[in-house]
Amino acid sequence: EDQVTQSPEALRLQEGESSSLNCSYTVSGLRGLFWYRQDPGKGPEFLFTLYSAGEEKEKERLKATLTKKESFLHITAPKPEDSATYLCAVQASSQGGSEKLVFGKGTKLTVNP
Amino acid sequence: DAGVIQSPRHEVTEMGQEVTLRCKPISGHDYLFWYRQTMMRGLELLIYFNNNVPIDDSGMPEDRFSAKMPNASFSTLKIQPSEPRDSAVYFCASSYQGQGTDTQYFGPGTRLTVL
Repeated sequence: EDQVTQSPEALRLQEGESSSLNCSYTVSGLRGLFWYRQDPGKGPEFLFTLYSAGEEKEKERLKATLTKKESFLHITAPKPEDSATYLCAVQASSQGGSEKLVFGKGTKLTVNP
Repeated sequence: DAGVIQSPRHEVTEMGQEVTLRCKPISGHDYLFWYRQTMMRGLELLIYFNNNVPIDDSGMPEDRFSAKMPNASFSTLKIQPSEPRDSAVYFCASSYQGQGTDTQYFGPGTRLTVL
């Protein structure tokens, strides 16, 4: 069974204090790994897709990286507006091209000014 | 584009009542997904459609749940009869495979409370 585990569950940072969020996954053939941001009362907002180990993608203060067993979301010099829950999801190639995403429970990030 | 549209945004009902949630996907998208989000279980896929045809409904919790997609611009998720444990936020998402992208775009969700 495909599984995604995110850590920590919650993270508090001071503005400007860089850190990383972890997403560990177990999947029989990775087709893609996705990062989403979710603000309270809203739907998840797409950030990145990573397809193969060694791949990296950046957007403003965020950088996502991928290995064969985990992905990291690095946040450099965060600002209060980066406060949100960050969700990781995997799409397995073993399901014959299925579009199904399996999500982790997320990391709730709070950045204090 | 207006993005994925869901209605209602909030629904409060009593146990035993029928509940219908509605979704309008992004125009041109050929996949539509229904998810449920709770604190305990996180975000779970209930069912998804491709070109209006249900492909995988293995996440639908029981026969009380049903989903339809009568055309490319509209889908419903119905719960009959509703129970307190159905209380959750229900999201609809859509995606387009034509350019090889897997990105799913989510709506704002419907917060369902069953008393």
